[in-house]
Amino acid sequence: NAGVTQTPKFRILKIGQSMTLQCTQDMNHNYMYWYRQDPGMGLKLIYYSVGAGITDKGEVPNGYNVSRSTTEDFPLRLELAAPSQTSVYFCASSLPGLDNEQFFGPGTRLTVL
Amino acid sequence: AQSVTQLGSHVSVSEGALVLLRCNYSSSVPPYLFWYVQYPNQGLQLLLKYTTGATLVKGINGFEAEFKKSETSFHLTKPSAHMSDAAEYFCAVSLTNTGNQFYFGTGTSLTVIP
Repeated sequence: NAGVTQTPKFRILKIGQSMTLQCTQDMNHNYMYWYRQDPGMGLKLIYYSVGAGITDKGEVPNGYNVSRSTTEDFPLRLELAAPSQTSVYFCASSLPGLDNEQFFGPGTRLTVL
Repeated sequence: AQSVTQLGSHVSVSEGALVLLRCNYSSSVPPYLFWYVQYPNQGLQLLLKYTTGATLVKGINGFEAEFKKSETSFHLTKPSAHMSDAAEYFCAVSLTNTGNQFYFGTGTSLTVIP
């Protein structure tokens, strides 16, 4: 199993550009998550999904959109990139339930200039 | 509202010394508690978790943590630090009254001095 994979690994965007961060998992997990990690701030939940077709906002959803058309994929969309979105983005997945371990991807480092 | 507090953003210990990383949480309902480790340029990996049952939880790489409800704490310990333990450590909590959300602490960077 590849686990959770994310593409791209690195990306530089100009202000106002848009992009999609890809996330795929091959563990047949229903639950998937997007986090951003900023220095000294830990991880903040952006969006999560409990299954195909079901998504909900986390702590910091503004400026982002998600969709979940399949169990495997959970892309994160940035429509109008801003410098405040410079961060490292992690995708994670888990079995259903709040007591289950989350499996994390390797992250995408995004810089908005 | 801050759900998870990690005291000390940086901790240094000598190789072979005790490792103690502190985590306190705030919750009006029983939480599920986790410790994750992050090595440079990698994603997070689970060290251990507490859900129910025994309050002393053992994890991978010799780490353990004790859930103390009266102190709302879940501190991480390891009797003898190894150079390979140098990493960032995150405490996390999932709260059953907030839907499917997880809250992470701000992290503690552990340095092991040879």
